[in-house]
Amino acid sequence: DSGVTQTPKHLITATGQRVTLRCSPRSGDLSVYWYQQSLDQGLQFLIQYYNGEERAKGNILERFSAQQFPDLHSELNLSSLELGDSALYFCASSGPNRATNEKLFFGSGTQLSVL
Amino acid sequence: ELKVEQNPLFLSMQEGKNYTIYCNYSTTSDRLYWYRQDPGKSLESLFVLLSNGAVKQEGRLMASLDTKARLSTLHITAAVHDLSATYFCAVDGGTASKLTFGTGTRLQVTL
Repeated sequence: DSGVTQTPKHLITATGQRVTLRCSPRSGDLSVYWYQQSLDQGLQFLIQYYNGEERAKGNILERFSAQQFPDLHSELNLSSLELGDSALYFCASSGPNRATNEKLFFGSGTQLSVL
Repeated sequence: ELKVEQNPLFLSMQEGKNYTIYCNYSTTSDRLYWYRQDPGKSLESLFVLLSNGAVKQEGRLMASLDTKARLSTLHITAAVHDLSATYFCAVDGGTASKLTFGTGTRLQVTL
C-alpha cells in the first residue's frame, strides 16, 4: 500500500458527461501529480500541484481541470467526455524535497470507461 | 521535448535465464526511475538512479545509469515467474519534477 488513496476505483459513464476523480496523497506529501494511462498513449503526465498551487502542466486537455484543496487532497475534473478519454487515471504524491531521492508514490488508479 | 524509449516492448523468457531491458532518453537528465506494474494494478517503485554510473540491485534485478550515453539498463538475473510484469523507466525532465515515462516492457517469464 503506497499510502495514496484514489476514489472511485471504477467509473462508467456516457459521452458528454462530467466526472470527478479524487486523490488523497500520503500523509505529509505536498505534491500531487495526475497521470493518464491508455493503450495508445501510454503513461502521460497531466498536471502537478504543490501545496495548493499548480506547479506544472503536461498533456492535459482543456476539458480537464484539477485543483488541490487546503487539506492537500486533489480532484481531477473531466468534462464533455469522449470515448477516447477512457483510460486509467493515476494520482501520485511526493514529499517536499525533490533534491533527495524522493520517489513518486502512485495510487491504485481510477479506471474510467466512457460508453 | 523529452522522449524516452524502451526496448524490447515485449520479452518472453524462460525461468533461470538472464536478460536486459534498455531505456534511452533524449535530453540531459541525472535522475531516472524504474517502476513495475502488474496487470490492472498501480506502479511500484523499484529503483531511483541519481547520478552517472549509479548501480542499484534488489534481488534478481539490477539497474544502472549512464548519463553520458543517456542510457539506463535493467538487468534480470535467473528470472522467476514472479517477475512477470510490465517494467517502465521514467526520466525526470527537471521541470517541476514531472516524469516522462517510457513505453514499458512487458516481461513474461515462462516455466
